[in-house]
Amino acid sequence: KAGVTQTPRYLIKTRGQQVTLSCSPISGHRSVSWYQQTPGQGLQFLFEYFSETQRNKGNFPGRFSGRQFSNSRSEMNVSTLELGDSALYLCASSGLAGDNEQFFGPGTRLTVL
Amino acid sequence: GQSLEQPSEVTAVEGAIVQINCTYQTSGFYGLSWYQQHDGGAPTFLSYNGLDGLEETGRFSSFLSRSDSYGYLLLQELQMKDSASYFCAVKDSSYKLIFGSGTRLLVRP
Repeated sequence: KAGVTQTPRYLIKTRGQQVTLSCSPISGHRSVSWYQQTPGQGLQFLFEYFSETQRNKGNFPGRFSGRQFSNSRSEMNVSTLELGDSALYLCASSGLAGDNEQFFGPGTRLTVL
Repeated sequence: GQSLEQPSEVTAVEGAIVQINCTYQTSGFYGLSWYQQHDGGAPTFLSYNGLDGLEETGRFSSFLSRSDSYGYLLLQELQMKDSASYFCAVKDSSYKLIFGSGTRLLVRP
């Protein structure tokens, strides 16, 4: 069974630009969560989607948005990038929303210059 | 606010036992999980405690005391490959995972 895949793996953008990251969950998984990871900050929850509906949202500004498609693939978008948005963005999938075990992808390393 | 506290760094010798503590303060509690992340890698699930007590999985054990809002991860017979960051995470009242800032474990020969 293929794992969670994320594209692109690395991205360099400049301030003010926008970016879209993609996540394909494990086949059969319907829940996708997104996290931002910065050094020393652990993983900060962004949002969770289940069956194309946003179930949960973390404490991030409205510049961060996401969506999920009918095949469970998910995208997150960050508009008007700021230097502080530089981070590793991880997505995780699970079979059901609220499952105890989440399976993480390798992440997208975003650098904002 | 919601917070999880865990030590930032722990160093231990190969073959030894190490315990990584986690205390939490969250709005609601539906279980404590532990994840391992090697440098440059993705977090991987280690264990979950929904009820008080000890859960054992091979060399790793995890403990929870809900009355103390406290848990720990115990790693036995440490190996060099156990050098990684370990994160505790609590499922809060809305079923989202809140992560601690991680404990970096360094295993020395």
